[in-house]
Amino acid sequence: EAGVAQSPRYKIIEKRQSVAFWCNPISGHATLYWYQQILGQGPKLLIQFQNNGVVDDSQLPKDRFSAERLKGVDSTLKIQPAKLEDSAVYLCASSLGGPGTSGIYYEQYFGPGTRLTVT
Amino acid sequence: RKEVEQDPGPFNVPEGATVAFNCTYSNSASQSFFWYRQDCRKEPKLLMSVYSSGNEDGRFTAQLNRASQYISLLIRDSKLSDSATYLCVRSGAGSYQLTFGKGTKLSVIP
Repeated sequence: EAGVAQSPRYKIIEKRQSVAFWCNPISGHATLYWYQQILGQGPKLLIQFQNNGVVDDSQLPKDRFSAERLKGVDSTLKIQPAKLEDSAVYLCASSLGGPGTSGIYYEQYFGPGTRLTVT
Repeated sequence: RKEVEQDPGPFNVPEGATVAFNCTYSNSASQSFFWYRQDCRKEPKLLMSVYSSGNEDGRFTAQLNRASQYISLLIRDSKLSDSATYLCVRSGAGSYQLTFGKGTKLSVIP
């Protein structure tokens, strides 16, 4: 089974520039997540989609970050303009999600991440 | 108190040793728990899910104590390949949102 795909794997930009990341979840997974992981910390959820609707974006810095999942499959995360403190690994994950009480719906599988360096 | 707290380590143990990590959480409404392992510069990978009181998978055992609000991970007969950071994760009731701890670093030494 193919895993979560992300691109690019690495990106270096200058502050105030824009950048976009792409994610393709595991086939059949309804729920997609974007996380930010700063060095030495655990991943922090930025936004969560179920199909093409936003479930939770409470921790997304909306003045500079945006994300979309137009057809309920692929997703893009954009930063505009970037700041130095945005340097981190951006991880995409997916889970079965959807209705049901089984715990397997909660199990998230991560892509390889995009390592962003803002200079 | 942080939602999920872990001892950052590092835990340096010899091959073959048994090692245990504890993780405490503050939200009593937490429903499910997970242990993920993360190798250096890699993505987190699901190691074990805990939906009731515990789970066991080979050399790995997770135990959940809801009364005391902690979850532990026990690794028996440590292998060099077990060297990684272990992330404790909780999900809220009715929510797929996961909250991660900062991780505990394990180094298994020959």
